Parts: sequence; C-alpha cells; structure tokens
Amino acid sequence: DTGVSQDPRHKITKRGQNVTFRCDPISEHNRLYWYRQTLGQGPEFLTYFQNEAQLEKSRLLSDRFSAERPKGSFSTLEIQRTEQGDSAMYLCASSSDRGGYTFGSGTRLTVV
Amino acid sequence: GENVEQHPSTLSVQEGDSAVIKCTYSDSASNYFPWYKQELGKRPQLIIDIRSNVGEKKDQRIAVTLNKTAKHFSLHITETQPEDSAVYFCADLGGSYIPTFGRGTSLIVHP
Repeated sequence: DTGVSQDPRHKITKRGQNVTFRCDPISEHNRLYWYRQTLGQGPEFLTYFQNEAQLEKSRLLSDRFSAERPKGSFSTLEIQRTEQGDSAMYLCASSSDRGGYTFGSGTRLTVV
Repeated sequence: GENVEQHPSTLSVQEGDSAVIKCTYSDSASNYFPWYKQELGKRPQLIIDIRSNVGEKKDQRIAVTLNKTAKHFSLHITETQPEDSAVYFCADLGGSYIPTFGRGTSLIVHP
C-alpha cells in the first residue's frame, strides 16, 4: 500500500462536460474525504464517507457534484455540466478512527 | 471543527531563525489538531499532530503547542532551513470527524 491514490492527475475538459475522479484510500482507513483546493487557499471540505456510508454531503458545492463509495473502498467524485469555476485541485484524504489523515496527490481539473 | 483562523498569512525568516504559526479554533469539541506542509504543486503532508490531552509535542525541529482554554495552537519550527519553505496549514477535528483547515501560511526561508 503506497498511500492514497488519485486518478487522473490532470483533467482538461470542455465546459458542459461531465467528469469523474477516482480515489483509492489507504486500505485500513475507513474514512474517506473529498476536498477542493484553489490557489492560495486551504482545502475546502466537500463530503466524507465512513465505510460506504456518506455521512456528510451538505457541503457539496452544488447539485452538480456527487460522490460514491459503493463498497467502502475506492470512491468517485463526479461533476456534471462542468463550469469554468470548477477549475481547481480536487484532493482526496483518508483516515482511521485514530486519525492519520493522509492526502492523495490530487486531480487538477481545468475547464476550458 | 467549525472555524479555524490562521496567522500570519505570510512569514519570511532568515535561515537559522525560528518560525511560529498560530491558529485559533472555535469548536469546544475539537480534540485533534494536525499540521500540514504543502510544497508547490504537491499534496499536503502531515508533519505533526497533537491531541487535546497533551499540551506540547516535539519532533526534532518541529513542535506544536496547544492551549485548550484559549482555544489556540501553534507550530514552532526552529533552526529553519530553505527546504522548510512551503505553505503550512493547521486543522482541527471534533466529534464530527470533519477536519476544518486554516487558510495557510506561506513560509519563506531566505538562505
């Protein structure tokens, strides 16, 4: 296990297209988080899962954003009908109940 | 956490000096306080953390102090080196298990 993996590393898409990002957490971590980070800002919380249950999704930026973690392992974040304002780094993190929050390398989204 | 204030936003020091970054939080239930270092274009990396039952923790040149009464915690870096230059983020975590991050401090260490 080499840590939290995210795919793809970079995504360029045209406005209006849908995009999906994947996150593979550290295998023994039961909690998985999605964040958005724009230049000069700290990570902005979007949603999180404990195992397969999505325990907080009210901070997803709009109804165009959705996330899943169907088997309690990897997770996907989908953005529908992308807008230029969605351009950002999307970070995934995982942790156990004892902490150890570890970030993935992120997916940099550019909407043109 | 609910809200985390981080200061300063930029910190410039000479190599060998100490650097201190401070954060305040508002959630009384916060009990875990990690610090992250993020180099340009890279992921935030956990460098040190502290739990609410401890007042101070050290790891070589890095230390974190926590004052629960005043609801603030600080990162201390001694004998700074140019490779310490990065953006540092504090965070707090309470019963919701959702970390809240500060806005970051850009540390510049001049050789």
